Amino acid sequence: DIVMTQSPESLAVSLGERVTINCKSSQSVLYSSDNRNYLAWYQQKPGQPPKLLIYWASTRESGVPDRFSGSGSGTDFTLTISSLKAEDVAVYYCHQYYSTPQTFGQGTKVEIK
Amino acid sequence: QVQLQESGPGLVKPSQTLSLTCTVSGASFSSDTYYWSWIRQPAGKRLEWIGRVYASGSTKYNPSLKSRVTISVDTSKSQFSLKLTSVTAADTAVYYCVRGFIVGGFDNWFDPWGQGTLVTVSS
Repeated sequence: DIVMTQSPESLAVSLGERVTINCKSSQSVLYSSDNRNYLAWYQQKPGQPPKLLIYWASTRESGVPDRFSGSGSGTDFTLTISSLKAEDVAVYYCHQYYSTPQTFGQGTKVEIK
Repeated sequence: QVQLQESGPGLVKPSQTLSLTCTVSGASFSSDTYYWSWIRQPAGKRLEWIGRVYASGSTKYNPSLKSRVTISVDTSKSQFSLKLTSVTAADTAVYYCVRGFIVGGFDNWFDPWGQGTLVTVSS
């Protein structure tokens, strides 16, 4: 199984500040045939199911604010919130769909400082 | 707007079978663009992919659960179902049904997710 490891596990950031969440996979999720990284990011607010933010590591889902961005390739990925808003308080998960079984990171909890 | 709704017992006794159904609305259930999955989340633990089914009935399971899991589909009702046998307390979790996207013949990201249903395994 591909193990997804996120860091940090939690962070508290002031409103308007930048948030950076890292995700490392135990093996590459870059598919050479199409040069795409098979990695997604989700946001889970309290009491809600996860919501898709980013797929193919850097493609923002329709309707997701542009303060959310994804980057990285191979085994190292980053989700960035450029300017934190109160409604961004949530747990964020990375997800690899490169191989079966699909696996998720342990989550990163984002709070307001 | 696509909606997925889980249904089934919230309490299952140890050694019995957990059965859940997901009803899909607002989407072309039989489209070859989508696949249908179950994912669970034990309290305080990471999300775990259980398996998936295509509208054709083709399935793929997490090897860690494969011996106990069956996922089936009923296209006439736009439903897919999960059966997990011989449950223990370790199977206590919130169970989500989700839609996945098929691109280039591969299973890709999930969107949307059902609201989730808590299943507790206890006598």
